[in-house]
Amino acid sequence: EVQLVESGGGLVQPGRSLKLSCAASGFTFSNYGMAWVCQAPTKGLEWVASISTGGGNTYYRDSVKGRFTISRDNAKNTLYLQMDSLRSEDTATYYCARHLTGSSRVMDAWGQGASVTVSS
Amino acid sequence: DVQMTQSPSNLAASPGESVSINCKASKSISKYLAWYQQKPGKANKLLIYSGSTLQSGTPSRFSGSGSGTDFTLTIRNLEPEDFGLYYCQQHNEYPPTFGAGTKLELK
Repeated sequence: EVQLVESGGGLVQPGRSLKLSCAASGFTFSNYGMAWVCQAPTKGLEWVASISTGGGNTYYRDSVKGRFTISRDNAKNTLYLQMDSLRSEDTATYYCARHLTGSSRVMDAWGQGASVTVSS
Repeated sequence: DVQMTQSPSNLAASPGESVSINCKASKSISKYLAWYQQKPGKANKLLIYSGSTLQSGTPSRFSGSGSGTDFTLTIRNLEPEDFGLYYCQQHNEYPPTFGAGTKLELK
């Protein structure tokens, strides 16, 4: 069974940093592109970033470029999102998601999400 | 970015009925549209991608159609487990963008 379990969320002050992790199991992690998708309270889904199988290619939405870094450790089957210079508008649930084989922009498995609140 | 407009935002129906949810892209996305289901306490679920390709495990009562800018998700013979939120998402180009969602409620 495919499992994606996020951790590392919490309450953080504006301007500070937070690092999310996503532990993957039930599939060969290194064979799949991965992504982070967020959902602000009472709002819809918003793609944040994606990373290729080997980590050599990364993609970001404009609002997080230069502040967030997506990375992965294939030996540990873990995906990361380093979030720096956090803003109140980054408050959201962050989902780890797996990309569908053959499509780097479709998400075929999702975690339950990690809540991030940016507030003083 | 490609803007995705979903309609209706809310929909009420009864088990056994059929419903349709529409999604319109601000420019042509060819066939590259996905549909997801979101339910409280459950992981989001991919239903359909590339406009009409059912993801493994998606019941056949779900179908997707459309190309270019206009797409439709149809659910026939609604089951109790079908009620929830539905999102469309274009996967033609970066950044992938989602519609605002359609809440399918029990009438």
